[in-house]
Amino acid sequence: GQNIDQPTEMTATEGAIVQINCTYQTSGFNGLFWYQQHAGEAPTFLSYNVLDGLEEKGRFSSFLSRSKGYSYLLLKELQMKDSASYLCAVRAPKAAGNKLTFGGGTRVLVKP
Amino acid sequence: DVKVTQSSRYLVKRTGEKVFLECVQDMDHENMFWYRQDPGLGLRLIYFSYDVKMKEKGDIPEGYSVSREKKERFSLILESASTNQTSMYLCASLTSGSSYNEQFFGPGTRLTVL
Repeated sequence: GQNIDQPTEMTATEGAIVQINCTYQTSGFNGLFWYQQHAGEAPTFLSYNVLDGLEEKGRFSSFLSRSKGYSYLLLKELQMKDSASYLCAVRAPKAAGNKLTFGGGTRVLVKP
Repeated sequence: DVKVTQSSRYLVKRTGEKVFLECVQDMDHENMFWYRQDPGLGLRLIYFSYDVKMKEKGDIPEGYSVSREKKERFSLILESASTNQTSMYLCASLTSGSSYNEQFFGPGTRLTVL
């Protein structure tokens, strides 16, 4: 089975740093994705990790530890436009159709 | 620019009606997916397809069927719509061609069943 957990909601101040954790227990693993979703819009891709370690992309970084079933998304220098939901998703192996299983999403509210 | 399009952004239907949601991608992707998204439940996979005329059940296929007659088009069908199928429906596609696979989403269809 698949189980992906992330906090429901987080609040942070403009200019600060926020770390969104994601833990997973899945029957197969072929990469972990982070998506951003603004209210009423489709999710947009942020990052992809398949090997352990940190991937940095501008203000956003994503970390993966496969042995611990753990990832985090780090948002630095928060801006008001970063207020959104952040979705963690684990991809199944190709033999299982490459399908993504999503966590419930973490709603981040950035305050002035 | 990669593109996944869905036939409607908003749709209102009555209980018992047959509903078709269409999704088209122009990226020549093999894999296509239909999700529904509900508050507090996140994105849940309904059906997916990894090739033309192939389909696989996702986590919540009951009450739905799909059709993939052409590679670029993946249709979701509600044979007899019910109020508990009121939701946001998202289509997505991705390629199988490399180890790095970003799944692209369409804009979503917000379906209301009265």
